[in-house]
Amino acid sequence: EIVMTQSPATLSVSPGERATLSCRASQSVDNNLAWYQQKAGQAPRLLIYDASTRATGIAARFSGSGSGTEFTLTISSLESEDFAIYYCQQCKSWPLTFGGGTKVEIK
Amino acid sequence: EGQLLESGGGLVQPGGSLRLSCAASEFTFRNYNMAWVRQAPGKGLEWVSIIGRDVAVTIYADSVKGRFTISRDNSKNTLSLQMNSLRDEDTAVYYCAKKGMEAPGNNWFDSWGQGILVTVSS
Repeated sequence: EIVMTQSPATLSVSPGERATLSCRASQSVDNNLAWYQQKAGQAPRLLIYDASTRATGIAARFSGSGSGTEFTLTISSLESEDFAIYYCQQCKSWPLTFGGGTKVEIK
Repeated sequence: EGQLLESGGGLVQPGGSLRLSCAASEFTFRNYNMAWVRQAPGKGLEWVSIIGRDVAVTIYADSVKGRFTISRDNSKNTLSLQMNSLRDEDTAVYYCAKKGMEAPGNNWFDSWGQGILVTVSS
């Protein structure tokens, strides 16, 4: 099983600032990685797939990068609606696995 | 991207059974792999199972293998999850999710239901 590790667990950021979230895979997943955003009481929402492709309707301030075992989700300038929990997911092999999440909170 | 609506959750005793359903609309259901993902209270996301668009392929997480059965009815645009021998640790919100692309591979999910709570407790 591929273990996905996200860091930090919590990120405190002021609105307008840049946020950088990390996701590490225990073995290479090539570019088979997705990022999701989840707000309290809501279902996850797909942000990024194939490591760097924005999903339909996702704002340009969200960007993904990386390949192999190291991945980054960057939010260039945080807006109030971006405070949420973010999960990465590898889709390289079974079982599909998610990271433990990074909570982005208001500083 | 589609609409998904889960039903069938509730409270069940350990060892009991429950069947979840997911009604799909606004996309061509038969063309997409479909999955169940769960989230225990206050915890992260855990993939549970996936079914191929033609039903032939089903894959399960080890934690549910032999106890849960995923199925689909392409004529009714419905996904199901039969859960048997339920345990306390199966308590979670269960989401049905649609694979993002028709093409093989890359099982990420672009549409999710609102989730349904399953509580296993005596």
